[in-house]
Amino acid sequence: EAGVAQSPRYKIIEKRQSVAFWCNPISGHATLYWYQQILGQGPKLLIQFQNNGVVDDSQLPKDRFSAERLKGVDSTLKIQPAKLEDSAVYLCASSHWTGGYEQYFGPGTRLTVT
Amino acid sequence: RKEVEQDPGPFNVPEGATVAFNCTYSNSASQSFFWYRQDCRKEPKLLMSVYSSGNEDGRFTAQLNRASQYISLLIRDSKLSDSATYLCVPTQGGSEKLVFGKGTKLTVNP
Repeated sequence: EAGVAQSPRYKIIEKRQSVAFWCNPISGHATLYWYQQILGQGPKLLIQFQNNGVVDDSQLPKDRFSAERLKGVDSTLKIQPAKLEDSAVYLCASSHWTGGYEQYFGPGTRLTVT
Repeated sequence: RKEVEQDPGPFNVPEGATVAFNCTYSNSASQSFFWYRQDCRKEPKLLMSVYSSGNEDGRFTAQLNRASQYISLLIRDSKLSDSATYLCVPTQGGSEKLVFGKGTKLTVNP
């Protein structure tokens, strides 16, 4: 079974630029999550989708971050404009269903904002 | 008080040693608990769920004390391959949202 795919793996941008990350979850997984992991911290949930609907986006900085999962499969996370403090690893995860099921993480996108 | 508190370590132990990690969580309404393992520059992976009665998976034993809001992980007979960061993960009270601790770094030395 293929795992969660993410691209790009690495991205370096200047502050105030825009960037987008892509995630393809495990086939058949209805729930998709985007996490931000700053160096030395645990992952922090940014947004959770159930199929193509948003379940939780309470920690998403909506003035600069946006995410979509239009067809209930792939998802994109965008940052516009980026700030220095956005430097982090952005992890996508998926699970079969919400409610305590194991979350499978992708390899992440390492973003450096200069 | 932080939602999840863990000793960041690092813990440096020789092969074959027994090592224990502790974690406290602040939300008494948390229902589910997990330990995740994260290798350097890799994604987190579920190590084990933690049940109220305690549970064991090979060399790994997890314990939960709801009254004290305390979770532990014991690793027996440490292997070099156990070197990683161990993340304590309760769910947020009232939801299944995972709340990750900062993790405890373990290095097992030959």
